[in-house]
Amino acid sequence: QVQLQESGPGLVKPSQTLSLTCSVSGGSISNGDYYWSWIRQYPGKALEWIGYIYYSGNTYYNPSLKSRVTISLDTSKNQFSLRLSSVTAADTAMYYCASQNIAVAGRYFDYWGQGTLVTVSS
Amino acid sequence: DIQMTQSPSSLSASVGDRVTITCRASQSISNFFNWYQQKPGKAPKLLIYAASSLQSGVPSRFSGSGSGTDFTLTISSLQPEDSATYYCQQTYSTPWTFGQGTKVEIK
Repeated sequence: QVQLQESGPGLVKPSQTLSLTCSVSGGSISNGDYYWSWIRQYPGKALEWIGYIYYSGNTYYNPSLKSRVTISLDTSKNQFSLRLSSVTAADTAMYYCASQNIAVAGRYFDYWGQGTLVTVSS
Repeated sequence: DIQMTQSPSSLSASVGDRVTITCRASQSISNFFNWYQQKPGKAPKLLIYAASSLQSGVPSRFSGSGSGTDFTLTISSLQPEDSATYYCQQTYSTPWTFGQGTKVEIK
């Protein structure tokens, strides 16, 4: 059973960079059948997909955030990370990491972390 | 971006009722379409993938249908534990997008 666990600061100051890490257990981040994604959920409950990284290091970011987002991976630690720069209060959300199985019909998100709440405030 | 529009945004139904939630995509997405259930304080959980396939372990009272632009999630006999918010999602083209959610409450 694959498990994902987010970690990182829960409070970030405006204009600073939000940094989160997702630790993956029970499966390999080098599995070519998966994309590794970050998704956020606003307090009003809307879900926004931020971007993904593939084991090769290829990334795709949501154009709405592309100028501020970097997703990277550390295969030695079986982790992937999110950096979001120049944050504002509008970036306050629950942040989830998730695995997306791209080798199946539907290309669905099958495993999610429990989420970590990030608040942007001075 | 492909817009996903769910309806209704919320509903209240009695135990045993048949419940239907719809989702419309702004363009054809074939069957690159999934449904998730989210309970308070928890991450979304996959219910239905590829529009109509039931994820392992999900009760058979849940079913999905549709293709192209119009999709439906049906709960054949609503149970108390089905109280949750349901989201649709397209994975036809990036950026992947979700519907705004449908909150299901038990009367």
